[in-house]
Amino acid sequence: DAKTTQPPSMDCAEGRAANLPCNHSTISGNEYVYWYRQIHSQGPQYIIHGLKNNETNEMASLIITEDRKSSTLILPHATLRDTAVYYCTPHSRSTEAYGQNFVFGPGTRLSVLP
Amino acid sequence: DGGITQSPKYLFRKEGQNVTLSCEQNLNHDAMYWYRQDPGQGLRLIYYSQIVNDFQKGDIAEGYSVSREKKESFPLTVTSAQKNPTAFYLCASTVRHEQFFGPGTRLTVL
Repeated sequence: DAKTTQPPSMDCAEGRAANLPCNHSTISGNEYVYWYRQIHSQGPQYIIHGLKNNETNEMASLIITEDRKSSTLILPHATLRDTAVYYCTPHSRSTEAYGQNFVFGPGTRLSVLP
Repeated sequence: DGGITQSPKYLFRKEGQNVTLSCEQNLNHDAMYWYRQDPGQGLRLIYYSQIVNDFQKGDIAEGYSVSREKKESFPLTVTSAQKNPTAFYLCASTVRHEQFFGPGTRLTVL
């Protein structure tokens, strides 16, 4: 059973904000929302994670709804190099989950257009 | 530089041959993983190891084998029993709750 639902593809104009949604309605209380991206033929790269508060780092911002059933990754000024597949995945940070693998669905293929 | 290396980046194999994919990490991570990725798909877990000399099957272990004799190394062998081995293979390691990936090996069976 899929743990997340993401649109299969999205386009964004270069320089504009890219807003990538993710539904994770079955997320449990101790699971964080992680976002990774995968540029073609490379390994996935960590972007950001959060529990319930909005988060921001040098790569992106993460907005999590109050009920935690969905989130949005925001790339504020998308560039051509942001063209990639973006994955959201819930993952527990509890002691019991130490070392557990991450589950990646098909993700969203973001195309940044010139 | 600390990281995960996979070699080779591209690998071609004749049908019926075994082939071993290399994965090395110098991050001092205990846990290591192998994933398979097919075009347009997510990642599927093949095998994982949370400590030296121990490993567990993932969701699609049939036709694959691994070893974990050293903390920094986790090679994957694709055997002739794997009926559809052409795919992109990713190795990863984890410390606490952060997962790091290698650059991947693209295996093509001719």
